Parts: sequence; structure tokens; C-alpha cells
Amino acid sequence: DSGVTQTPKHLITATGQRVTLRCSPRSGDLSVYWYQQSLDQGLQFLIQYYNGEERAKGNILERFSAQQFPDLHSELNLSSLELGDSALYFCASSVAAGGYEQYFGPGTRLTVT
Amino acid sequence: QQQVKQSPQSLIVQKGGIPIINCAYENTAFDYFPWYQQFPGKGPALLIAIRPDVSEKKEGRFTISFNKSAKQFSLHIMDSQPGDSATYFCAAHTGAGSYQLTFGKGTKLSVIP
Repeated sequence: DSGVTQTPKHLITATGQRVTLRCSPRSGDLSVYWYQQSLDQGLQFLIQYYNGEERAKGNILERFSAQQFPDLHSELNLSSLELGDSALYFCASSVAAGGYEQYFGPGTRLTVT
Repeated sequence: QQQVKQSPQSLIVQKGGIPIINCAYENTAFDYFPWYQQFPGKGPALLIAIRPDVSEKKEGRFTISFNKSAKQFSLHIMDSQPGDSATYFCAAHTGAGSYQLTFGKGTKLSVIP
């Protein structure tokens, strides 16, 4: 158990809908990272927050957004969902902003029908 | 553009064998190279990592070999066990403002008794 928690574990929704995925980092970690894992693209970095501020952006679609709250939990919002958004979404956390030792949560499996 | 190339895609070894997974990269700005282990239904777990100024690192039965001039690194698993059967991902960290991990496509390892 990495200490990173994610909810929900599974999510099934329809195209065009909006969902919110939640992540709580390990105790003491200030950085949160979001990744998407799909069979064809593998693990892709989406976005990083450090102590409430956006720090780095990867291959994140404009339909997706994230934020980190004062208690350091983070939410990833996915809107106007498409079939191709079906994937595993992982959150990871690290102590510092540099992103060296990242610890992953168990993931949320999103299915868009 | 795939920045970290991982091979093989799958690997089957007998118990006690030494599976070797290889990764290659092009970006000389990468400054940290972790390996992650992922079991079905779980998030990736940090296994071992190395920095480019070190040629080898051992932790238990896991060893990373790093060749900076060739821009290649590999994971060796000594005395492999059926419990090591998992998917292994190499990754490379970009520092200096980007702070993201770029992952290889993964290697599915099966250790047969």
C-alpha cells in the first residue's frame, strides 16, 4: 500500500458526461501527479500540482482540468467525455516538487459507454 | 514520439532465471531513471531507481545497469520467483522545469515454476 488513495475505484458513464476523480496524497507529500494509462498509449503524464499550484503540464486535453485543495487532496475533472477517454487514471504523489520518487495510488478505472 | 523505448514487450522465464528488461532513451536532459512494477488491478509501485552518474545499483534481487554513453539502462531480476510475475515499466525523469516521468510501454514478465 503506497498510502495514496483514489476514489472511486470504478466509474461507468456515458459520452458527453462529466466526472470527477479524487486523490489524497501520502501524508506529508505536497506534490500530486495525474496519469492516464491506456492499452495503446501506455502511461501518460497529464498534470502536476505542488502545494496547490499547477507545476507542470503534459498531454492533458482541454476538456480535462485538475486542482489541488488546501488540504492537498486533488481532483481531476473530465468533461464532454468520449469513448476514447476510457482508461485507468492514476494519481501519484511525492514529497517535493521535483517529482523524483513518485508513489502511485490504486487508480480509477473509467469506462465511457 | 516515444522518448523511452522498452523491450521486450513480454518475457517468460523459469523460476530461478534472470530476466533482463532493456530501455533506451534519446533525451540527455533525463536525470533520474526509475523502474516500476505493476500487478493486475494495482497501481505501479516504485521498485528501484538510478541517477546517470552511477553505472549500477542493487536492491535485493533487483539490479539496474546504466550505460550513459549508449543511453541505455536495464533491469535484472536475480533468482526470479513466480511472485515476480508482473508488468515492469522503465521511466525517465525530466528535470529543469518539467518534472515529469516519461514511461516505457512496459514488459509483461511471467515466471513459471
